[in-house]
Amino acid sequence: EPEVTQTPSHQVTQMGQEVILRCVPISNHLYFYWYRQILGQKVEFLVSFYNNEISEKSEIFDDQFSVERPDGSNFTLKIRSTKLEDSAMYFCASSPSGPNSPLHFGNGTRLTVT
Amino acid sequence: KQEVTQIPAALSVPEGENLVLNCSFTDSAIYNLQWFRQDPGKGLTSLLLIQSSQREQTSGRLNASLDKSSGRSTLYIAASQPGDSATYLCAVRDYGGSQGNLIFGKGTKLSVKP
Repeated sequence: EPEVTQTPSHQVTQMGQEVILRCVPISNHLYFYWYRQILGQKVEFLVSFYNNEISEKSEIFDDQFSVERPDGSNFTLKIRSTKLEDSAMYFCASSPSGPNSPLHFGNGTRLTVT
Repeated sequence: KQEVTQIPAALSVPEGENLVLNCSFTDSAIYNLQWFRQDPGKGLTSLLLIQSSQREQTSGRLNASLDKSSGRSTLYIAASQPGDSATYLCAVRDYGGSQGNLIFGKGTKLSVKP
């Protein structure tokens, strides 16, 4: 069964550094998402992406965050200057069509900012 | 603003028991509701998706129901097994934003004892 793939599984970085989290969504899916889960808290929506542009973003997704689909397969989340509070599990998800279709999640990247 | 609540936060049962996990949401204007399983430190595995027009969905030993008007969903697990031990997350896709985004509950941590 096709799956969403995320790399790396764990990334450690120092405060103020830039990080790029990578995702390969399921190949025929058209909608892409990033969510995050701070340890012990709910999974939270960050951003959705469709037709090569952001379709929606949450309050969390400020100017420090950006997303890109640089080619036909990858979908990346960049954090320009990491803060301690960015430490979380970041999940990429994709869905084949609009809001009536299920989201398929990757295994996540655990980001630790020291 | 949509809020999703899951009760109980944790549940421990002996192997073989049937059990019910509860999910409630505050705004009935939803596209659908999705149940996920999360193993420690891992991603989200989609279990069942119930569209807003449906009352229930079944997959193997799992049955999920939806009562949109009262803002409730249940996940029924029959004949529980130790391998069912995980955190179960409920998420609603509501009408907020351009295409609706998943809003998660905090989850129910299930432990099935052999």
